[in-house]
Order: sequence, then C-alpha cells, then structure tokens
Amino acid sequence: EIVLTQSPATLSLSPGERATLSCRASQSVSTYLAWYQQKPGQAPRLLIYAASNRATGIPARFSGSGSGTDFTLTISSLEPEDFAVYYCQQRSNWPPEYTFGQGTKLEIK
Amino acid sequence: EVQLLESGGGLVQPGGSLRLSCAASGFTFSNYAMSWVRQAPGKGLEWVSAISASGGGTYYADSVKGRFTISRDNSKNTLYLQMNSLRAEDTAIYYCAKRGLDALGSSFDYWGQGTLVTVSS
Repeated sequence: EIVLTQSPATLSLSPGERATLSCRASQSVSTYLAWYQQKPGQAPRLLIYAASNRATGIPARFSGSGSGTDFTLTISSLEPEDFAVYYCQQRSNWPPEYTFGQGTKLEIK
Repeated sequence: EVQLLESGGGLVQPGGSLRLSCAASGFTFSNYAMSWVRQAPGKGLEWVSAISASGGGTYYADSVKGRFTISRDNSKNTLYLQMNSLRAEDTAIYYCAKRGLDALGSSFDYWGQGTLVTVSS
C-alpha cells in the first residue's frame, strides 16, 4: 500500500501570504496525485488533479507541482476563504486503490 | 449541474447491516466509475470501495473487504453500498464520489454531502 505523508500537519499564515503544502509518497505515483480542500461540515472539493491541473472553477492562485514521490500545493496569496484542511490523494494503477494523506490544516495566524 | 445525494445512514448496532444509496444527476451516470469514501468523526478521509462504469468491476479497501458490497443500477442512476457486520470503527460520514476526468480516473471531481453512519449499542 502506498502511504502519503503530508507536511506540515498545521500551517499558520496570514491572508495575503504564500502557502506551500507538501505531500510525499512512499513509492512513485507518477503524476496520479490530486489535492482537495475541505471546510468544516462540507464535503471535500477537488482542487488539483494529475499533480498540476486545476479543476473546473478553481482560482489561479492554487497550483500543484511534482511527480514521482514529492508533490507541492501552492496558494500564491491566501484569501480568507482558503483557510481549511487540505488532503492529497493517489490512485494505484492496478487494482484501483486510493489512499489519502492525513491532511494539513491551514489556519489563520 | 452534477448532483450526488446520499441517503440511508443512521444508527445501527454492532453486527448490524445498513444500505446506503447515492442518487446521481447532471451527468451520464453509466459512463463513470464511482466510489464511496468515508470520514470518521474528526479524522481524515478513507477510500472504501469503487465500482466500474458498467458495474462489472468492484474494488474494496482491506478494512471492509468481505463485509461491504458496492453495486449500481444504471437505469436508476443510483449507487449503493451494502454494509454488513458493522463495527464501531465503521462510524463515519460516507460520501459518494464521481470518477474524475483525468486519463486514469485518479481523482474524484464531484462529491455528495455525505450520510452519517453511527455504529453503537
């Protein structure tokens, strides 16, 4: 089973600052990696798929990068609505199994 | 507009059974694989099960294998999860999620709002 490790567990920043979230896989996942945002009481929302592609309707301040085992989600300039929990997720090729990282909580400093 | 609406959650005793449903609309349901993902209270996300577009392929996390069964009725645009031999650790919000559009289907582009399953005596 591929394990995804996210860091840091909690990130404290102010609006307008740049956020950099990390996700490391225990073995290569190529670019089969996605990022989600989840706010309290809401379902997760897809932000980035295939490592670097923004999902429909996602603002340009969100970007993803990486391949293999190391991935980054960057929020260029934080808006108040960006404070939430962020998860990375991968799918193994066969059989299809999906794993999530443990999450990074982005909180207001 | 894509909509996924889960139902069927509730309180059940350990060892009991429950059947979840997810009604889909706004897309051609029969063209897409679907999954169930759960989230225990205050915890992270855990993939539970997936089913191919036709229903011919089903896949499970080790934690539910042999106890849960995923199925779909493409004529009713509905996804199901039959949960048997429920345990306290199955307590969670259960989300249905649609396969994303990337080539491998490695993401979930739409999620329902979830249905809460509580396993307790």
